Amino acid sequence: AQSVTQLGSHVSVSEGALVLLRCNYSSSVPPYLFWYVQYPNQGLQLLLKYTSAATLVKGINGFEAEFKKSETSFHLTKPSAHMSDAAEYFCAVKEASNTGKLIFGQGTTLQVKP
Amino acid sequence: GAVVSQHPSRVICKSGTSVKIECRSLDFQATTMFWYRQFPKQSLMLMATSNEGSKATYEQGVEKDKFLINHASLTLSTLTVTSAHPEDSSFYICSARFPLHTEAFFGQGTRLTVV
Repeated sequence: AQSVTQLGSHVSVSEGALVLLRCNYSSSVPPYLFWYVQYPNQGLQLLLKYTSAATLVKGINGFEAEFKKSETSFHLTKPSAHMSDAAEYFCAVKEASNTGKLIFGQGTTLQVKP
Repeated sequence: GAVVSQHPSRVICKSGTSVKIECRSLDFQATTMFWYRQFPKQSLMLMATSNEGSKATYEQGVEKDKFLINHASLTLSTLTVTSAHPEDSSFYICSARFPLHTEAFFGQGTRLTVV
Protein backbone atom coordinates (compact mmCIF):
# COMPACT_ATOMS: atom_id res chain seq x y z
CA ALA A 1 0.00 0.00 0.00
CA GLN A 2 1.13 3.51 -0.68
CA SER A 3 1.62 6.05 2.07
CA VAL A 4 3.06 9.46 2.76
CA THR A 5 4.76 10.73 5.90
CA GLN A 6 5.42 14.36 6.58
CA LEU A 7 8.08 14.89 9.19
CA GLY A 8 7.24 17.77 11.46
CA SER A 9 3.68 18.91 11.97
CA HIS A 10 4.85 22.45 12.59
CA VAL A 11 7.77 24.34 11.05
CA SER A 12 8.70 27.87 11.98
CA VAL A 13 11.13 30.03 9.99
CA SER A 14 12.06 33.67 9.89
CA GLU A 15 11.11 35.78 6.93
CA GLY A 16 13.85 35.44 4.31
CA ALA A 17 15.07 32.12 5.64
CA LEU A 18 15.12 28.80 3.82
CA VAL A 19 11.94 26.76 3.94
CA LEU A 20 12.29 22.97 4.09
CA LEU A 21 9.23 20.76 4.48
CA ARG A 22 9.90 17.06 4.55
CA CYS A 23 7.94 14.32 2.86
CA ASN A 24 8.74 10.63 2.55
CA TYR A 25 6.65 8.21 0.59
CA SER A 26 6.14 4.50 0.32
CA SER A 27 5.17 3.02 -3.00
CA SER A 28 5.78 -0.24 -4.82
CA VAL A 29 5.33 1.44 -8.19
CA PRO A 30 6.81 4.65 -9.59
CA PRO A 31 4.83 7.29 -7.76
CA TYR A 32 3.08 10.44 -8.79
CA LEU A 33 3.77 12.94 -6.00
CA PHE A 34 2.22 16.28 -5.20
CA TRP A 35 2.55 19.21 -2.85
CA TYR A 36 -0.55 21.23 -2.08
CA VAL A 37 -0.96 24.38 0.01
CA GLN A 38 -4.04 25.26 2.04
CA TYR A 39 -4.81 28.68 3.44
CA PRO A 40 -7.33 29.01 6.30
CA ASN A 41 -10.86 28.05 5.37
CA GLN A 42 -9.93 27.36 1.77
CA GLY A 43 -9.47 24.38 -0.46
CA LEU A 44 -6.14 23.02 -1.63
CA GLN A 45 -4.02 24.61 -4.30
CA LEU A 46 -1.43 22.65 -6.23
CA LEU A 47 2.12 23.87 -5.69
CA LEU A 48 3.91 21.32 -7.84
CA LYS A 49 3.87 17.71 -8.99
CA TYR A 50 6.29 14.94 -9.88
CA THR A 51 5.23 12.64 -12.70
CA SER A 52 8.45 10.73 -13.48
CA ALA A 53 10.00 13.40 -15.68
CA ALA A 54 12.63 15.71 -14.17
CA THR A 55 13.53 14.86 -10.58
CA LEU A 56 13.78 18.54 -9.65
CA VAL A 57 10.36 20.06 -9.97
CA LYS A 58 9.67 23.76 -9.89
CA GLY A 59 6.31 25.03 -8.76
CA ILE A 60 4.47 28.21 -8.10
CA ASN A 61 5.46 30.94 -5.65
CA GLY A 62 9.14 30.02 -5.79
CA PHE A 63 8.75 26.53 -4.37
CA GLU A 64 10.53 23.49 -5.68
CA ALA A 65 10.88 19.85 -4.71
CA GLU A 66 13.35 17.13 -5.51
CA PHE A 67 12.37 13.52 -6.03
CA LYS A 68 14.97 11.20 -4.55
CA LYS A 69 14.16 7.58 -5.20
CA SER A 70 17.03 6.26 -3.09
CA GLU A 71 15.71 8.17 -0.09
CA THR A 72 12.01 7.80 -1.02
CA SER A 73 11.71 11.51 -0.39
CA PHE A 74 10.07 14.50 -2.02
CA HIS A 75 11.00 17.44 0.19
CA LEU A 76 9.65 20.89 -0.53
CA THR A 77 11.96 23.90 -0.42
CA LYS A 78 11.94 27.62 -0.96
CA PRO A 79 15.09 29.71 -0.70
CA SER A 80 13.53 32.70 1.02
CA ALA A 81 10.32 32.62 3.02
CA HIS A 82 7.70 35.32 2.72
CA MET A 83 5.05 36.12 5.29
CA SER A 84 2.45 35.09 2.73
CA ASP A 85 3.87 31.54 2.72
CA ALA A 86 2.37 30.89 6.15
CA ALA A 87 -0.15 28.10 5.53
CA GLU A 88 -0.75 24.37 5.79
CA TYR A 89 1.18 22.19 3.37
CA PHE A 90 0.23 18.69 2.30
CA CYS A 91 2.30 16.11 0.49
CA ALA A 92 0.32 13.48 -1.41
CA VAL A 93 0.87 10.40 -3.52
CA LYS A 94 -1.55 9.29 -6.19
CA GLU A 95 -2.87 5.83 -5.55
CA ALA A 96 -1.96 3.29 -8.19
CA SER A 97 -5.52 2.30 -8.98
CA ASN A 98 -8.25 3.15 -11.43
CA THR A 99 -9.67 5.78 -9.13
CA GLY A 100 -6.36 7.56 -8.79
CA LYS A 101 -7.31 8.96 -5.44
CA LEU A 102 -4.76 10.90 -3.45
CA ILE A 103 -3.22 9.68 -0.23
CA PHE A 104 -2.27 12.64 1.93
CA GLY A 105 0.33 13.16 4.56
CA GLN A 106 -0.60 14.58 7.92
CA GLY A 107 0.19 18.12 6.87
CA THR A 108 2.78 20.64 8.03
CA THR A 109 1.93 24.07 9.34
CA LEU A 110 4.45 26.64 8.19
CA GLN A 111 4.82 29.68 10.40
CA VAL A 112 6.82 32.63 9.11
CA LYS A 113 8.09 35.09 11.68
CA PRO A 114 8.94 38.67 10.82
CA GLY B 1 -6.64 25.89 -15.95
CA ALA B 2 -9.38 23.67 -14.64
CA VAL B 3 -11.53 25.14 -11.91
CA VAL B 4 -13.70 23.45 -9.36
CA SER B 5 -16.36 25.53 -7.67
CA GLN B 6 -17.90 24.47 -4.37
CA HIS B 7 -20.99 26.02 -2.87
CA PRO B 8 -21.83 27.19 -0.27
CA SER B 9 -18.61 28.22 1.40
CA ARG B 10 -20.29 28.38 4.79
CA VAL B 11 -23.55 27.01 6.10
CA ILE B 12 -25.17 26.89 9.50
CA CYS B 13 -28.07 24.55 10.01
CA LYS B 14 -30.20 23.27 12.82
CA SER B 15 -29.74 19.81 14.20
CA GLY B 16 -31.94 17.31 12.40
CA THR B 17 -32.08 19.15 9.09
CA SER B 18 -30.31 18.22 5.86
CA VAL B 19 -27.72 20.23 4.01
CA LYS B 20 -26.65 19.94 0.38
CA ILE B 21 -23.19 20.94 -0.83
CA GLU B 22 -22.52 21.33 -4.54
CA CYS B 23 -19.28 20.77 -6.38
CA ARG B 24 -19.06 21.92 -9.98
CA SER B 25 -16.29 21.56 -12.51
CA LEU B 26 -16.29 24.69 -14.64
CA ASP B 27 -13.80 24.08 -17.41
CA PHE B 28 -13.69 20.34 -17.98
CA GLN B 29 -15.88 17.34 -17.53
CA ALA B 30 -14.84 15.49 -14.43
CA THR B 31 -14.60 11.74 -14.73
CA THR B 32 -14.25 11.30 -11.00
CA MET B 33 -15.03 13.46 -8.01
CA PHE B 34 -13.88 12.99 -4.45
CA TRP B 35 -15.36 14.19 -1.19
CA TYR B 36 -13.20 14.85 1.84
CA ARG B 37 -13.79 15.85 5.40
CA GLN B 38 -11.24 17.81 7.35
CA PHE B 39 -11.15 18.28 11.10
CA PRO B 40 -9.29 21.26 12.60
CA LYS B 41 -5.53 20.99 12.34
CA GLN B 42 -5.80 17.63 10.61
CA SER B 43 -5.32 16.19 7.17
CA LEU B 44 -8.04 15.41 4.68
CA MET B 45 -10.05 12.28 5.23
CA LEU B 46 -11.47 10.77 2.06
CA MET B 47 -15.18 10.05 2.46
CA ALA B 48 -16.15 8.78 -0.95
CA THR B 49 -15.32 8.58 -4.62
CA SER B 50 -18.00 9.21 -7.19
CA ASN B 51 -18.12 8.59 -10.89
CA GLU B 52 -20.72 10.11 -13.16
CA GLY B 53 -23.79 7.97 -13.50
CA SER B 54 -22.82 5.36 -10.95
CA LYS B 55 -23.09 4.90 -7.21
CA ALA B 56 -20.44 6.43 -5.05
CA THR B 57 -17.81 4.27 -3.40
CA TYR B 58 -17.60 5.07 0.29
CA GLU B 59 -14.56 4.66 2.48
CA GLN B 60 -14.73 2.35 5.42
CA GLY B 61 -16.51 3.91 8.37
CA VAL B 62 -18.42 6.50 6.36
CA GLU B 63 -22.19 6.17 6.62
CA LYS B 64 -23.55 6.21 3.09
CA ASP B 65 -27.10 6.80 4.30
CA LYS B 66 -26.00 9.87 6.16
CA PHE B 67 -23.71 11.32 3.53
CA LEU B 68 -25.57 11.02 0.27
CA ILE B 69 -23.50 11.61 -2.84
CA ASN B 70 -24.98 12.19 -6.25
CA HIS B 71 -22.91 12.57 -9.39
CA ALA B 72 -25.64 13.11 -11.93
CA SER B 73 -23.53 14.80 -14.59
CA LEU B 74 -19.92 15.17 -15.61
CA THR B 75 -19.84 18.67 -14.14
CA LEU B 76 -21.80 18.34 -10.91
CA SER B 77 -21.53 16.26 -7.78
CA THR B 78 -23.48 16.89 -4.60
CA LEU B 79 -23.00 15.83 -1.01
CA THR B 80 -26.07 15.86 1.21
CA VAL B 81 -25.59 15.58 4.94
CA THR B 82 -28.88 14.12 6.15
CA SER B 83 -30.29 14.64 9.63
CA ALA B 84 -27.26 16.64 10.59
CA HIS B 85 -25.97 16.63 14.15
CA PRO B 86 -23.38 18.84 15.85
CA GLU B 87 -20.73 16.15 15.41
CA ASP B 88 -21.13 16.52 11.64
CA SER B 89 -19.79 20.04 11.91
CA SER B 90 -16.62 20.10 9.86
CA PHE B 91 -14.91 21.40 6.74
CA TYR B 92 -15.95 19.48 3.64
CA ILE B 93 -13.89 19.66 0.45
CA CYS B 94 -14.52 18.23 -2.99
CA SER B 95 -12.01 17.56 -5.71
CA ALA B 96 -12.21 16.48 -9.31
CA ARG B 97 -10.09 14.53 -11.72
CA PHE B 98 -10.04 15.40 -15.37
CA PRO B 99 -8.80 13.47 -18.38
CA LEU B 100 -5.16 14.14 -19.25
CA HIS B 101 -4.47 15.69 -15.84
CA THR B 102 -2.51 13.80 -13.20
CA GLU B 103 -3.37 16.14 -10.37
CA ALA B 104 -6.68 16.66 -8.63
CA PHE B 105 -8.33 20.05 -8.51
CA PHE B 106 -10.01 21.16 -5.32
CA GLY B 107 -13.05 23.21 -4.48
CA GLN B 108 -12.88 26.02 -1.97
CA GLY B 109 -14.40 23.94 0.79
CA THR B 110 -17.59 24.27 2.84
CA ARG B 111 -17.60 25.04 6.54
CA LEU B 112 -20.63 23.26 8.01
CA THR B 113 -21.80 24.21 11.48
CA VAL B 114 -24.69 22.30 12.99
CA VAL B 115 -26.34 23.99 15.96
